[in-house]
Amino acid sequence: DADVTQTPRNRITKTGKRIMLECSQTKGHDRMYWYRQDPGLGLRLIYYSFDVKDINKGEISDGYSVSRQAQAKFSLSLESAIPNQTALYFCATSDITGTSPTGELFFGEGSRLTVL
Amino acid sequence: AQSVTQLGSHVSVSEGALVLLRCNYSSSVPPYLFWYVQYPNQGLQLLLKYTSAATLVKGINGFEAEFKKSETSFHLTKPSAHMSDAAEYFCAVRVAGGTSYGKLTFGQGTILTVHP
Repeated sequence: DADVTQTPRNRITKTGKRIMLECSQTKGHDRMYWYRQDPGLGLRLIYYSFDVKDINKGEISDGYSVSRQAQAKFSLSLESAIPNQTALYFCATSDITGTSPTGELFFGEGSRLTVL
Repeated sequence: AQSVTQLGSHVSVSEGALVLLRCNYSSSVPPYLFWYVQYPNQGLQLLLKYTSAATLVKGINGFEAEFKKSETSFHLTKPSAHMSDAAEYFCAVRVAGGTSYGKLTFGQGTILTVHP
């Protein structure tokens, strides 16, 4: 089983609908992130969480919200989806204080979202 | 603020030829640097990382990268390309220390095509 699991893997929705992307991890890491990937733009940070009580905006948080339900779960919501939110979304974890002090990220396999 | 620039959004090589993917970074403090690979329909996988221990870093699948502070570069190389190397490659930077919360800043990505 994957250490970082994202659901759904693919989703097609319509403009104005509310969408939730879920992420769960078994790595025991405190830090979790949501990135968005667009062709030619690389990965851009949407939100990140240091622990359950810590939520921070990234560089492109407008139109998104997150919830850290537990150490292992971090969900991303689009309250009212719009077509320019069509993208590939990645959840990632890191553990700076533990076995990976360099802060490398461990990624899920991505959730492809299409907003019509 | 930290940033990464990958020169060339597409690189095409013949099987057996040298692979060179370019990455330049901007950081006011010593950085951690990473190369990730993304195969089709998969998440990102760490290829290698620079942590200041050695300027020449060896990674998986025969890839290596050299940190050159004077040139602010961290180019990725492989002596002999294989068909299975076809993928998208991302360079990323994280500053050491401070309040960066482990945030990685990614380059735009370079798609590597390998011809028979």
